[in-house]
Amino acid sequence: DIQMTQSPSTLSASVGDRVTITCRASQSISSWLAWYQQKPGKAPKLLIYEASSLESGVPSRFSGSGSGTEFTLSISSLQPDDFATYYCQQYNSYSGTFGQGTKVEIK
Amino acid sequence: EVQLVESGGGLVQPGGSLRLSCAASGFTFSTSWMTWVRQAPVKGLEWVANIKQDGSEKYYVDSVKGRFTISRDNAKNSLYLQMNSLGAEDTAVYYCARNYYGRYFDLWGRGTLVTVSS
Repeated sequence: DIQMTQSPSTLSASVGDRVTITCRASQSISSWLAWYQQKPGKAPKLLIYEASSLESGVPSRFSGSGSGTEFTLSISSLQPDDFATYYCQQYNSYSGTFGQGTKVEIK
Repeated sequence: EVQLVESGGGLVQPGGSLRLSCAASGFTFSTSWMTWVRQAPVKGLEWVANIKQDGSEKYYVDSVKGRFTISRDNAKNSLYLQMNSLGAEDTAVYYCARNYYGRYFDLWGRGTLVTVSS
């Protein structure tokens, strides 16, 4: 089974900061990776799919990159609405393994 | 309105069974892969199962194989998860999600809470 590892687990940042989250796969998944944002008590929301494609309606300050086993989610200028937990998810083989999550906190 | 609404959660004793339902509206359910994802209290997301548009292909996480069954009724625009032999480790909020061709999850319900406890 493919394992997904995110880092860091927690990230403290200020409004306006550039933020980067890393996700590593235990084997190559090509570009079959998605990123989600989840706020407390809410369902996750799709941000990025196929590693770098921005979901419709998602602000352009979010971007994704990478292929193979290493991927990143970047937020160019952190906004108050962006404080949340972020998850990567691989979909290489009709399964959908998630990373353990990265909580972005207010510094 | 495009939405997914889960139901059927509740308190169940260890070893018991429960059937979750997900009602879809606002999109063509019969042409969509569908998925169940769960989240234990204060934990991360865990993919549980996928089902193809016509129900001919189903995929499960190892921890639920042989205990959970995903199914669908396209005439009723509904997705189901039959859960048997439940244990404390199955306690979670269960989300129904639309699955883009067996890949990522682009529409989510609000979730239904399943608590396994005596």
